[in-house]
Amino acid sequence: DGGITQSPKYLFRKEGQNVTLSCEQNLNHDAMYWYRQDPGQGLRLIYYSQIVNDFQKGDIAEGYSVSREKKESFPLTVTSAQKNPTAFYLCASSISPRPGTQGYTFGSGTRLTVV
Amino acid sequence: AQSVTQPDIHITVSEGASLELRCNYSYGATPYLFWYVQSPGQGLQLLLKYFSGDTLVQGIKGFEAEFKRSQSSFNLRKPSVHWSDAAEYFCAVRTNAGKSTFGDGTTLTVKP
Repeated sequence: DGGITQSPKYLFRKEGQNVTLSCEQNLNHDAMYWYRQDPGQGLRLIYYSQIVNDFQKGDIAEGYSVSREKKESFPLTVTSAQKNPTAFYLCASSISPRPGTQGYTFGSGTRLTVV
Repeated sequence: AQSVTQPDIHITVSEGASLELRCNYSYGATPYLFWYVQSPGQGLQLLLKYFSGDTLVQGIKGFEAEFKRSQSSFNLRKPSVHWSDAAEYFCAVRTNAGKSTFGDGTTLTVKP
């Protein structure tokens, strides 16, 4: 079955360390997105990519980095510059970035905790 | 810039009762509107979408939503709620540039 796989499901990081969250899709979708979810704040866009080797900052990109070397993969690195990284991270994809008539397919998320 | 408001943070209904979750959006052009559902610790699942045509759209799990342009609303409804509907519900607007903006969500509790 096609879908989006996020790994790991739970991740613990020490302060000052970088950590990379994996997101892989086998849906042949062009567009991929990373969202951060905090209690009571809904989803906030970190980065998005509409095609391979191209990506754009979202609303809260500071302290994060991404790459899109393959269509299937869109890893997110949480750097030590991110002041408050503890959150639930969601990866999503859509068939194409335009038009906006298609909904997203989401992964099951990674919960990152800084210890 | 687009925005989405879900006025109700938490709603409690009895099993078998009807449900309406409110969503108001702000966007200058024709909006593409979505409702998603999230179970605890999981990703979001698409319930339904509206982008043109009939303003009453049907989705999965017996949900429907009505688009009202004059009120900038896209409320989600279900005639009879089941205990398994307890979850968090998100309304979203997507622009032609492809990005989506989500509301802060409404948590639904179902009483037996």
